[in-house]
Amino acid sequence: AQSVTQLGSHVSVSEGALVLLRCNYSSSVPPYLFWYVQYPNQGLQLLLKYTSAATLVKGINGFEAEFKKSETSFHLTKPSAHMSDAAEYFCAVTLGSGNTGKLIFGQGTTLQVKP
Amino acid sequence: DAGVTQSPTHLIKTRGQQVTLRCSPKSGHDTVSWYQQALGQGPQFIFQYYEEEERQRGNFPDRFSGHQFPNYSSELNVNALLLGDSALYLCASSWDRGERYNEQFFGPGTRLTVL
Repeated sequence: AQSVTQLGSHVSVSEGALVLLRCNYSSSVPPYLFWYVQYPNQGLQLLLKYTSAATLVKGINGFEAEFKKSETSFHLTKPSAHMSDAAEYFCAVTLGSGNTGKLIFGQGTTLQVKP
Repeated sequence: DAGVTQSPTHLIKTRGQQVTLRCSPKSGHDTVSWYQQALGQGPQFIFQYYEEEERQRGNFPDRFSGHQFPNYSSELNVNALLLGDSALYLCASSWDRGERYNEQFFGPGTRLTVL
């Protein structure tokens, strides 16, 4: 069965500092992995996705993530945090072939950006 | 091009009542998935509809049911509401191209409060 674990329910960084949000996954088959962002009272917006192509994935708003199979990780990074990055971030996994696209989400990490 | 829309935005019900939530998929999409996001949690998959049939179901009781119409819009029905059903209900649509992964686009959600 697939699962996702996000380490750290709250992460606080200063504006301009590195952002690192951690995600580890468990999957019996090669997974597809995603990072979503959710702003208050809004739905989910896709930041980036890994679909078995390049292991370093670049997304929107300067975010990127690296798929590391040996570590079963898919951590999200951004070199320099902006105040507008403050939001809830979710890592998600889905199956491959034969999949209906059901997404399995982690518990989420709240990113706080301090001025 | 309108994205995924959901109605109503907010809803307040009392225990034991029934509720219907509605979703219109993104133009060109034929698949609708529903997720429940309890406060402080990641979204959980309820079920997915394709070609007017429930294609996959998550670990939710039969009180949760749905429907997909010929125009691909969808409804989520919850009977005998419990306090624990209070959550943000997210609809996601995608286009089933028969590929290994079909990106899901999320709506803004319906906030259901059960008193």
